[in-house]
Amino acid sequence: QKEVEQNSGPLSVPEGAIASLNCTYSDRVSQSFFWYRQYSGKSPELIMSIYSNGDKEDGRFTAQLNKASQYVSLLIRDSQPSDSATYLCAVKTLGFNKFYFGSGTKLNVKP
Amino acid sequence: DAMVIQNPRYQVTQFGKPVTLSCSQTLNHNVMYWYQQKSSQAPKLLFHYYDKDFNNEADTPDNFQSRRPNTSFCFLDIRSPGLGDAAMYLCATSGQDQPQHFGDGTRLSIL
Repeated sequence: QKEVEQNSGPLSVPEGAIASLNCTYSDRVSQSFFWYRQYSGKSPELIMSIYSNGDKEDGRFTAQLNKASQYVSLLIRDSQPSDSATYLCAVKTLGFNKFYFGSGTKLNVKP
Repeated sequence: DAMVIQNPRYQVTQFGKPVTLSCSQTLNHNVMYWYQQKSSQAPKLLFHYYDKDFNNEADTPDNFQSRRPNTSFCFLDIRSPGLGDAAMYLCATSGQDQPQHFGDGTRLSIL
């Protein structure tokens, strides 16, 4: 059974702060990692994908991957109230079609 | 431009009355997925297609069926909806070793 674990939160940060969201996974052969943002009542929206160890930056978002520790994180700099949402971590094994989702971390950014 | 389109956005049906949800894509992706998502939970994979190859999850109730008549379209049939089937139903697609792209979802209510 492949497991993806996230702290359910809520994680509360003040506006302008850095939000740090974490995800661990159990399957060592996982090779593709994704962060989705989901607003209440809406569908998941892809924010970041990362495939190699290290950091990947896109605007205010940075994904960090450490395959040895089976850990992937998402940093949101200069957090805005509009970032308040649930963030889902998903992992996938190369060559297979299934994505495994964590239960999500709810982020609240307070003005 | 919407790339994964789900219809309808909201569906109300009666207990036990069959209902069909539809999904279409303009991405020409090989893989299409159906997820069920209930409040504050991770998306739960019901089944997926790789081209016409159907893959059912072991814990998907027999009440749920799917059809994929061509690359672009996929349908979810719920033969006899129960109150526990009220949820958001998400369709997603992915290309070979690519992230998933979700439609806007169909919110299903059971009376």
